[in-house]
Amino acid sequence: GAVVSQHPSWVICKSGTSVKIECRSLDFQATTMFWYRQFPKQSLMLMATSNEGSKATYEQGVEKDKFLINHASLTLSTLTVTSAHPEDSSFYICSAGEQPQHFGDGTRLSIL
Amino acid sequence: GDSVTQMEGPVTLSEEAFLTINCTYTATGYPSLFWYVQYPGEGLQLLLKATKADDKGSNKGFEATYRKETTSFHLEKGSVQVSDSAVYFCALSYSGNTGKLIFGQGTTLQVKP
Repeated sequence: GAVVSQHPSWVICKSGTSVKIECRSLDFQATTMFWYRQFPKQSLMLMATSNEGSKATYEQGVEKDKFLINHASLTLSTLTVTSAHPEDSSFYICSAGEQPQHFGDGTRLSIL
Repeated sequence: GDSVTQMEGPVTLSEEAFLTINCTYTATGYPSLFWYVQYPGEGLQLLLKATKADDKGSNKGFEATYRKETTSFHLEKGSVQVSDSAVYFCALSYSGNTGKLIFGQGTTLQVKP
């Protein structure tokens, strides 16, 4: 069964709305989780590393104020897309665990 | 920097055909290598892995050998099925680096009956 749960799986909302995506490790503790973004028919692009109890580490070119990450517990990390716009529409995937990483099923975000 | 390069897709095969998806990497150290599979609308699932040179990872009829001399980790399967249709990602990661993965661009496999 799934060891990393991601919610919601699909969200459609209006431009300007903030959207929160949750990533949970189900049967293990994760001090580190990763957030990826995937455009259609493209590879996964690492956005940031979520660290429990401390600030996330963002990859170059990723706006920290746009993509807020909170890792408040050892089993939960959240990604909030603030004031979302159509160009933020994408497939967002989280992962957690040691080698190998376990991935969530992804969240398809559509901004109208 | 480290990187992973996969062959361009899509790869279209008939059922029971032999599959090879090429993957080469550039690494400054000695990474572990992975193949992940993504079915439509889903997240990624680990298919197989190899942690050191000459290791062979295998699962569900797929296999790949970690070739340090050619910096390659090609994915093979002797007889593909329609249900193998998916996107396949080659990736590398270093132990002790909290699992951060570097992915190739992905290769779409389409298997026709």
